[in-house]
Amino acid sequence: GQSLEQPSEVTAVEGAIVQINCTYQTSGFYGLSWYQQHDGGAPTFLSYNALDGLEETGRFSSFLSRSDSYGYLLLQELQMKDSASYFCAVSLRGDSSYKLIFGSGTRLLVRP
Amino acid sequence: DVKVTQSSRYLVKRTGEKVFLECVQDMDHENMFWYRQDPGLGLRLIYFSYDVKMKEKGDIPEGYSVSREKKERFSLILESASTNQTSMYLCASSSPRGAGGLYEQYFGPGTRLTVT
Repeated sequence: GQSLEQPSEVTAVEGAIVQINCTYQTSGFYGLSWYQQHDGGAPTFLSYNALDGLEETGRFSSFLSRSDSYGYLLLQELQMKDSASYFCAVSLRGDSSYKLIFGSGTRLLVRP
Repeated sequence: DVKVTQSSRYLVKRTGEKVFLECVQDMDHENMFWYRQDPGLGLRLIYFSYDVKMKEKGDIPEGYSVSREKKERFSLILESASTNQTSMYLCASSSPRGAGGLYEQYFGPGTRLTVT
């Protein structure tokens, strides 16, 4: 079967750096993506890694190691508005098209 | 801007009722998805559709069916609602064209369904 593991909760201070890890066990893996969801809101796409290495998008970076089945999301210069849940997701090939399988999510609490 | 809308934000139904959840997207996307979200379990894929009248089971299809008669509309049907189907239901869409089809999905605001 497919499984993804990420910490359930992380707490950090405003202005700090935080890393949210994700390990996965899947077959037919195409890439790892990250989504952000504020309380009461819809998940929104943050970043995607298909190849090993680091992808940077402003204050957010995402890393992938395919050989280790591991990735992480790095948030720098944390702001209060970054308090949200963060989901890693793997892209898989279904019978006829692509689909995402999501982790259970990491709740990030940013404190002043 | 991509827009995915869902017919209701909140819905209360009784056990045994037939429930329809509607989702509409305005970006001409081929792929549409239904998830349910429960605390501590993340988003779990129920069904998805890659074309009109085409569908594929996700990870938890039991107790659900779907309908895709038009490209922009994807319906989730609970044939006989049960209390364990109380959840947040999220619809999403994506385009298979280009690499974005692999990872970028656009979500609706969700429908919080309570079955009593």
